[in-house]
Amino acid sequence: QSGLTQPRSVSGSPGQSVTISCSGTGNDVGRYDYVSWYQQYPGKAPTLIIYDVNTRPSGVPDRFSGSKSGNTASLTISGLQVDDEADYFCSSYGGSHNSVLFGGGTNLAVL
Amino acid sequence: QVQLQESGPGLVRPSETLSVTCSVAGYSINTGYYWGWIRQSPGEGLQWIGSIHQTGNTYYNPSLRGRVSISVDTSKNHFSLNLTSVTAADTAVYYCARHLAVRGILQWLAPWGQGSRVTVSS
Repeated sequence: QSGLTQPRSVSGSPGQSVTISCSGTGNDVGRYDYVSWYQQYPGKAPTLIIYDVNTRPSGVPDRFSGSKSGNTASLTISGLQVDDEADYFCSSYGGSHNSVLFGGGTNLAVL
Repeated sequence: QVQLQESGPGLVRPSETLSVTCSVAGYSINTGYYWGWIRQSPGEGLQWIGSIHQTGNTYYNPSLRGRVSISVDTSKNHFSLNLTSVTAADTAVYYCARHLAVRGILQWLAPWGQGSRVTVSS
């Protein structure tokens, strides 16, 4: 099974919105609503910010939102803040092999 | 508040077995969640290794099956990863995390431990 595909980097200015895409196939992202997103600061462990495509865990600001269309999931961060500068990883249930797939990660720069 | 803490060897020789343990505090392993291992190679993305239930039921990444085994010790409230025949490609930070799985469908991972850096080198 291949991993999910994310852009290597995105950037935005404070206050703007950015969207990070996560492309899979009809056997994972396209078939199951079990897409999650993780935020990782340098040298730190990832933390869950979105699960089940568009659900935010308690404590995650509503500036973070998730969606899915076909085989592509997306994470949108609105009202960008400097603190949002981090790496973002998507993940999906992998289907028939009872596995978990991750994207390669996207580095967000807030310029 | 659930907290996870990995403990590993730091350095492993090529062809040997890598072993890392995850201790869970503030939460019982016997609660129906799965407990997973994920690794991150230097400058790279995340790779799910496998996950285990309190009953011992396991799911493994197909690309590592044959070299990986995960075990759980409910009496000590910890679970462990063994990876055999390691090479330099297994050099990574190894994370453990609580893993939600419903009817065998593996979903989100949270929280994560701080990670254990393991280097494979002679």
